[in-house]
Amino acid sequence: DIQMTQSPSSLSASVGDRVTITCRASQSISSYLNWYQQKPGRAPNLLIYAASSLQSGVPSRFSGSGSGTDFTLTISSLQPEDFATYYCQQSYSTLLTFGQGTKVEIK
Amino acid sequence: QVQLQQSGPGLVKPSQTLSLTCAISGDSVSSNGAAWHWIRQSPSRGLEWLGRTYYRSKWFNDYAVSVKSRITINPDTSKNQFSLQLNSVTPEDTAVYYCAGSVATPGNWAFDIWGQGTMVTVSS
Repeated sequence: DIQMTQSPSSLSASVGDRVTITCRASQSISSYLNWYQQKPGRAPNLLIYAASSLQSGVPSRFSGSGSGTDFTLTISSLQPEDFATYYCQQSYSTLLTFGQGTKVEIK
Repeated sequence: QVQLQQSGPGLVKPSQTLSLTCAISGDSVSSNGAAWHWIRQSPSRGLEWLGRTYYRSKWFNDYAVSVKSRITINPDTSKNQFSLQLNSVTPEDTAVYYCAGSVATPGNWAFDIWGQGTMVTVSS
């Protein structure tokens, strides 16, 4: 299986901050990388697919970049509703895998 | 819009079979281009993809290595739904189980539609 490693595991930030989360794959996955946001008690919600394509209905403050093994999710100006856990997921391999998650908390 | 509605028991005894169903509205389980998945989440294992079923002129299934010997995902075209069966469960199978769909991102196995989740506890 392709292993996905996110960093950091958690971070504290303030409303208005620029936040960056990274995801590294154990082998090249081209641009087959997706990002999700999950709030407590809810299913994950797709934010970004194919590394940089914004899912319909997702605010433009979310963006994604990267290819190969290294990827980034950026929130340009953190809003109160953005405090949540974020996951990356590779869709390159037949067998799909997730990162361990990054929890974004209020500073 | 596409919606997924899960059903099934929340408590399963060890060694028995976990069975869940996911009903699809707004799309077809046989839709060429879509795929239908089962995913689980637990504190110890995080988010874990279990497998998928999809139709491309015939039916295909793929399963995670960790459960391959115990899992079956079946489409039901008459009811427009798909199901999960996980045999010989142990307490380590305790998790929130989600069904999900890859519908709006053709060629990319992104999960753009999710069911509401079912907490399944394996206990006697």
